[in-house]
Amino acid sequence: KQEVTQIPAALSVPEGENLVLNCSFTDSAIYNLQWFRQDPGKGLTSLLLIQSSQREQTSGRLNASLDKSSGRSTLYIAASQPGDSATYLCAVPSGSARQLTFGSGTQLTVLP
Amino acid sequence: KAGVTQTPRYLIKTRGQQVTLSCSPISGHRSVSWYQQTPGQGLQFLFEYFSETQRNKGNFPGRFSGRQFSNSRSEMNVSTLELGDSALYLCASSPTSGGASTGELFFGEGSRLTVL
Repeated sequence: KQEVTQIPAALSVPEGENLVLNCSFTDSAIYNLQWFRQDPGKGLTSLLLIQSSQREQTSGRLNASLDKSSGRSTLYIAASQPGDSATYLCAVPSGSARQLTFGSGTQLTVLP
Repeated sequence: KAGVTQTPRYLIKTRGQQVTLSCSPISGHRSVSWYQQTPGQGLQFLFEYFSETQRNKGNFPGRFSGRQFSNSRSEMNVSTLELGDSALYLCASSPTSGGASTGELFFGEGSRLTVL
């Protein structure tokens, strides 16, 4: 059974810092990994999707890497801003592509 | 392009009642999946529909059911509500490409159900 772990559970940083969020998964036979952002009381916003054949994906100040062999992914946020404050979730497919197993998330607070 | 639309956004029910939630996927998306989010269990997969057929089901009791219509819109139903059903119910749609999904899911804002 696939298990996804995210460390740390919470993180508070001053504005402008570069930071790294970690995601690990137990079954390396995945064909993609997706990072999401969730604001309080809201739905999930897709940030990045990394296919298993890729090592990393970039979107603006976000960069996500994937190492299937070690069962790890990292989300790098450059020059953090207060607007980045949210919960960040990673997810991998279990069974079908649409049946995702989620980590419990990292709650990020960026202080002005 | 409109995103995934879920209705209603908020609702309050009492134990024993039933509830129906609706989801309209992004135009052109044929796959719809449902998730339950609670503080204790996090995000858990409920079921997935593609071309009006349930493709996968998560580990939830039979009180949880769903369906998909020919226009890809989907509904989920929870019967005989229990206090533990209080949660944010999220719907996601997925694009298809050449008959196979790219795997990327796009979520709606969710329906927050409170059971009293």
